[in-house]
Parts: sequence; C-alpha cells; structure tokens
Amino acid sequence: LAKTTQPISMDSYEGQEVNITCSHNNIATNDYITWYQQFPSQGPRFIIQGYKTKVTNEVASLFIPADRKSSTLSLPRVSLSDTAVYYCLVVPSNDYKLSFGAGTTVTVRA
Amino acid sequence: DAGITQSPRHKVTETGTPVTLRCHQTENHRYMYWYRQDPGHGLRLIHYSYGVKDTDKGEVSDGYSVSRSKTEDFLLTLESATSSQTSVYFCAISESTSGKNTDTQYFGPGTRLTVL
Repeated sequence: LAKTTQPISMDSYEGQEVNITCSHNNIATNDYITWYQQFPSQGPRFIIQGYKTKVTNEVASLFIPADRKSSTLSLPRVSLSDTAVYYCLVVPSNDYKLSFGAGTTVTVRA
Repeated sequence: DAGITQSPRHKVTETGTPVTLRCHQTENHRYMYWYRQDPGHGLRLIHYSYGVKDTDKGEVSDGYSVSRSKTEDFLLTLESATSSQTSVYFCAISESTSGKNTDTQYFGPGTRLTVL
C-alpha cells in the first residue's frame, strides 16, 4: 500500500476554504485516492474519491495533478460542523484492505 | 446511513477474560471489516470477511479471531484480553460484489473496550 503524508492539524475560520494536501509519491498505476472524514465518537465517513484531474461532489472537491504524486482535498466555506479528522488513503483497485494514517485534524473556529 | 450496529457500545473487562464484539448489518453487503483505533495510529485493520465463513487477516490480527456464520453478523473475539487491546473498535461493510477497494466502506458507531 502506498504511503501517504498529510499535515497533522489545520486551523480555519467559518466561511473560509480549507485545502488539505496529501503526498503519495509511490502511488501505483491502479491506485485510487480516497478521502474519509471522522467526527469525534463516530466511525469514518466517505467523502470523495478520484483517479486523476478533478472530482467534485456536494461536500468537497479533489484535485489530482497529472503525476498523481499528491492530491488536495478542498472544503469550500467551512462551518463549525466541519471540525473533524480527514484521512487521505491511496487504495489499490484490486485489494480489499484500507490503510488509514493518523489523518489531519481540522479545527474550524467561529 | 448504512444499517450497521455494534454491540456492546461500551465494555470494561479484566485481563485474561474472553470478549466478543458483534457487528450486525441489515444491508446484505458481502464484505465486512473490523478495525481498531488508537491515538496516533489512525485505524488499523484487524480482520475482514469476503463472505460467509470466508475471512482473512489484516495488519494487527494477533490476539483476535473472527467468525461469520451469517451474512449479517461478523463477530470479533479477543480470546484472552490484554491491556494493549484497550481501544475503540469499528466495524465496516462494503457493498460491492466485486469487493474492490475503490468501493465505499460504511462504518458502524464503534465499541469502546477497556481492559483493566
């Protein structure tokens, strides 16, 4: 499984855009990039997944450059309820297992 | 939200005692997983199942066993609990019949286990 590196923590204010960059230098051809969100005392929840370029859904956007060695999760106009831990995962399409790192703790302040 | 329940939600036990945690799903999903979460370690996979009676080890399987006799239930057993197994345990399910990792995993609410 490809190793990922992301910041341990980030602080933001309500209404701002939050961008979390994840490095995955040894990503393989059949790997996808997936982000999960975890609130305190809850299990992780899927946010978004992509292979290349840009993916957008109702929650976030995911930007993946051509070399795929990094990716950026963008959370537009965050609110207090977006305070959570965000995990970047690089997942092979032919495997069952997920590998979670320590994630990025995002704290949104009023 | 996916229909996943875990029981018990909280448990305190003593070292050397056997403990069984239950994960129950109402989604009829083929794949089920057990993770543990500890501060500074994110989530680590203990065991997973790709069908009834079909299970395999994850990265931290020592001291744990699992069983899946029905599609809807996945049991995690600590045969002789140790203090190092104090953790929060999460069950997850995956809906795809292909079992590919690109499919979303849905997580249960977790079980907080304390081993004294």
